[in-house]
Amino acid sequence: GAGVSQSPRYKVTKRGQDVALRCDPISGHVSLYWYRQALGQGPEFLTYFNYEAQQDKSGLPNDRFSAERPEGSISTLTIQRTEQRDSAMYRCASSFTSGSLLVSGETQYFGPGTRLLVL
Amino acid sequence: KQEVTQIPAALSVPEGENLVLNCSFTDSAIYNLQWFRQDPGKGLTSLLLIQSSQREQTSGRLNASLDKSSGRSTLYIAASQPGDSATYLCAVVGGSYIPTFGRGTSLIVHP
Repeated sequence: GAGVSQSPRYKVTKRGQDVALRCDPISGHVSLYWYRQALGQGPEFLTYFNYEAQQDKSGLPNDRFSAERPEGSISTLTIQRTEQRDSAMYRCASSFTSGSLLVSGETQYFGPGTRLLVL
Repeated sequence: KQEVTQIPAALSVPEGENLVLNCSFTDSAIYNLQWFRQDPGKGLTSLLLIQSSQREQTSGRLNASLDKSSGRSTLYIAASQPGDSATYLCAVVGGSYIPTFGRGTSLIVHP
């Protein structure tokens, strides 16, 4: 079946512009995670949802970053007034069960990511 | 704050060698540790997951061990193949329920 998809795959924008990154999880998956991955680094947690409820947003770096998942399926990560330091790969992952069950060994399925470049 | 370190950062070996990749973490209060593979242009793929109560997990030519008390895990790859070339990431899940990833080991297996 279809995996996690993300769009666009590549985004080049000018500093100060807003961008919206989309994640389409595997159908029926309950939890959805957003990560940011800088070159040569591992993914860094941003936020996650169970269904439409945002459970944890402690990883969002500042108030220019926001995320929503209004119908419990597709999610959008929005970055307002982009800065060059926002340039990175933004990854989305989904899981069949709720996020807190990661402790029981439920695995996450990752999308291919959106490469964001802010000029 | 949990910190995850992976050694070596990069590795290049000839085909057929047995490999050991290392992962260490600073807070031993974890629920599980997972090894992922990352290929260019693709998402991360889960390889092995070890619960805190377990010592090791095996899948094909891969074997992962966990020593929670010392904060270490190793990923053993037997008889490496060019198709194993990728970046290998380890991630731990602790009390915050949020995965913390290492920077990864970039592996090249040449024919």
